[in-house]
Amino acid sequence: QQQVKQSPQSLIVQKGGIPIINCAYENTAFDYFPWYQQFPGKGPALLIAIRPDVSEKKEGRFTISFNKSAKQFSLHIMDSQPGDSATYFCAASRKGGAQKLVFGQGTRLTINP
Amino acid sequence: DGGITQSPKYLFRKEGQNVTLSCEQNLNHDAMYWYRQDPGQGLRLIYYSQIVNDFQKGDIAEGYSVSREKKESFPLTVTSAQKNPTAFYLCASRQTGNTEAFFGQGTRLTVV
Repeated sequence: QQQVKQSPQSLIVQKGGIPIINCAYENTAFDYFPWYQQFPGKGPALLIAIRPDVSEKKEGRFTISFNKSAKQFSLHIMDSQPGDSATYFCAASRKGGAQKLVFGQGTRLTINP
Repeated sequence: DGGITQSPKYLFRKEGQNVTLSCEQNLNHDAMYWYRQDPGQGLRLIYYSQIVNDFQKGDIAEGYSVSREKKESFPLTVTSAQKNPTAFYLCASRQTGNTEAFFGQGTRLTVV
């Protein structure tokens, strides 16, 4: 119930394309769903996050779509650029307590010029 | 600048040795976390602490120990009992009631 499943494991897209990364969860107590971006040798950095009371959130070229009934959420990157090449992690945490983040397995994204 | 500092960036350990990874934050955050990252497995929680002098085991605590004597510091010791310690270790912090977690730049530990 604590797992977050992420797919695909790797993704290659041409510049300008729209990569989509998907995540699914089981625990209905989760109420915070962030996406992190990680470059090689660096720590993850928060990209965008959503709560289950909205179905979509957009920040610049990054959009999260959230489907509460299906317990799924996804990240879309519009007009992708080579600089977006990184590993992306979805995560989830529940309200209260230690607010521990549970991470997906990660997606290695490559944007070809 | 406010942030989380992990040191060293690279660490080499001989078989049977204990090593300690440093994590310091000046964000005045209450909660701190240690994660381990292995290829294809995402980030797995080792230990976490919500307040000074208190900490809890995460999902993979065996072979690790921590302390939280000061709010800004949360060192992780990888003991000789950890059979497969080679990994990338990440420290994070978060303010209670706030959801965003901030990560350090990581320490890559290699057993030689």
